[in-house]
Amino acid sequence: AQKVTQAQTEISVVEKEDVTLDCVYETRDTTYYLFWYKQPPSGELVFLIRRNSFDEQNEISGRYSWNFQKSTSSFNFTITASQVVDSAVYFCALSEATNYGGSQGNLIFGKGTKLSVKP
Amino acid sequence: EADIYQTPRYLVIGTGKKITLECSQTMGHDKMYWYQQDPGMELHLIHYSYGVNSTEKGDLSSESTVSRIRTEHFPLTLESARPSHTSQYLCAISGGRTDTQYFGPGTRLTVL
Repeated sequence: AQKVTQAQTEISVVEKEDVTLDCVYETRDTTYYLFWYKQPPSGELVFLIRRNSFDEQNEISGRYSWNFQKSTSSFNFTITASQVVDSAVYFCALSEATNYGGSQGNLIFGKGTKLSVKP
Repeated sequence: EADIYQTPRYLVIGTGKKITLECSQTMGHDKMYWYQQDPGMELHLIHYSYGVNSTEKGDLSSESTVSRIRTEHFPLTLESARPSHTSQYLCAISGGRTDTQYFGPGTRLTVL
């Protein structure tokens, strides 16, 4: 069975601190996709990143970076120099891959980590 | 970015009413999804569709029903709303090369 665990329920940091959100996943599939989404107080889910299981390269996008390690089944998300606007709930998610390479319909979400960045 | 629209954004209704939550998209994607999210909780897939006239139930059992008569629309209907249906309902679409799911703004439903 597929499962995503985000052990950190809530994190509170002061602006400009670095923060890492943990994500551990379980799957029996050899091909799968991992995602991070951001949900600000407005409620909309904003896509941040998609990573397939064959690509273990870390990715950096501005202040955001992601560390994917298949050996530990983890896909952690780091925000460098956090800002108040980063305050949101962050969800990690997992999906299977279809035969044609796209991601399967069912996204399995973790329970989310609520990040509060204080000025 | 994807153009996904959900109406209404907020809805407060009484028990027993029939309601339809609308989800529409302008991307022409075949795949559409409905997720239910209780406040502060994880998301659960309740329905999905891989194309016109195709609908499937998701992981979480739901008393709602869906239809997919046109590619652009994927409405969700509750025949008789109850307080236990109070939740946020998020619609998503996927397609193209990456098949990434993009979400609409959501509908916050409160049943009194």
